[in-house]
Amino acid sequence: QKEVEQDPGPLSVPEGAIVSLNCTYSNSAFQYFMWYRQYSRKGPELLMYTYSSGNKEDGRFTAQVDKSSKYISLFIRDSQPSDSATYLCAMSAGGTYKYIFGTGTRLKVLA
Amino acid sequence: DTAVSQTPKYLVTQMGNDKSIKCEQNLGHDTMYWYKQDSKKFLKIMFSYNNKELIINETVPNRFSPKSPDKAHLNLHINSLELGDSAVYFCASSQRGDNGYTFGSGTRLTVV
Repeated sequence: QKEVEQDPGPLSVPEGAIVSLNCTYSNSAFQYFMWYRQYSRKGPELLMYTYSSGNKEDGRFTAQVDKSSKYISLFIRDSQPSDSATYLCAMSAGGTYKYIFGTGTRLKVLA
Repeated sequence: DTAVSQTPKYLVTQMGNDKSIKCEQNLGHDTMYWYKQDSKKFLKIMFSYNNKELIINETVPNRFSPKSPDKAHLNLHINSLELGDSAVYFCASSQRGDNGYTFGSGTRLTVV
């Protein structure tokens, strides 16, 4: 079993839809959680960063962490074609200088 | 002004050759990383340096040798390249280990 599991997609949604992207993990020591967006042939770009459980909102993006279920989510409201990319979750136990990445979910937002 | 810059962007080389990839960050971060992304987009850490000291070496073949001349630079030298080394190599930096990374744009290595 991988430490971090993420559905690879692709996930196709119409423009304006609410998108839900998810990761599950097995290591209960993980406390730091990140979501990255990666456009084709580009480096990953940090979208959201959360520590421990709870919600964090930034514009159209909301990150949720449920440590009891070992489950994190990224919600995108009013999705746009420009949101079409691969979304990667990443997590760390802290103090390790190492984030473990999910395999990424490919999202297509159709105009 | 690019925050994390890698050179070259593309590298095509024959098996058995030796090649280097350079990385520089101008963010003042104290930690730098090399990640390898395979064809399935899976990102796996290879090395991490904090203030020029190696702190992570993730069971990478010793044909791969990182070098950090100062905390703004982290280079990757690969000896005796193999077909399986073909991937995209990303450099990243962060301030301390638990903050978000800033990635470079990647070096696409193809070994033929």
